[in-house]
Amino acid sequence: DAGVIQSPRHEVTEMGQEVTLRCKPISGHNSLFWYRQTMMRGLELLIYFNNNVPIDDSGMPEDRFSAKMPNASFSTLKIQPSEPRDSAVYFCASRLGGPLRPQHFGDGTRLSIL
Amino acid sequence: GQQLNQSPQSMFIQEGEDVSMNCTSSSIFNTWLWYKQEPGEGPVLLIALYKAGELTSNGRLTAQFGITRKDSFLNISASIPSDVGIYFCAGQDPGANSKLTFGKGITLSVRP
Repeated sequence: DAGVIQSPRHEVTEMGQEVTLRCKPISGHNSLFWYRQTMMRGLELLIYFNNNVPIDDSGMPEDRFSAKMPNASFSTLKIQPSEPRDSAVYFCASRLGGPLRPQHFGDGTRLSIL
Repeated sequence: GQQLNQSPQSMFIQEGEDVSMNCTSSSIFNTWLWYKQEPGEGPVLLIALYKAGELTSNGRLTAQFGITRKDSFLNISASIPSDVGIYFCAGQDPGANSKLTFGKGITLSVRP
């Protein structure tokens, strides 16, 4: 079975550039989550969607970050303009069913902003 | 915000040994989860606990949901080299849209 698919796996770009991270959730899953992982802060929830609708974006660090989910099989996380402190591993996770069901993670995008 | 405490940051054990990891919180959670992350991959769910006092096993792994709902532990028995990785606990907030809060993780090394 295909898991959560994220692309690209690695991204290196210069500060000021726009960065777009992509996620394809597991087919049939109705919730999608974006996380950021750093050594200092661990895994932090940025935003999550339920049935393609953003439910909680309180973890989005600032206006430079935006996320969309145009349909049930695709989501993007965009950073514009990017800054060196945005360097981290970004994970997407999806879930089938309600809050008690587990989340399944993709393999992440390692982002480096120079 | 809520925090989950996992310590120590790293553990080193000999192959064949048992190891126990604890996770504590100042807040109550209604679900506890244990994930394992290997280099270059995302966290993979090991065990999910849904009820205070629940004890659940998955092969050589056993986890318990603390009675107070503020802690959980994970035991790995008869460790093998492929057990190396980072072990995260996560608690699910009973309110606040049921968000997951993750601990900082424990890096486990197993010496052959």
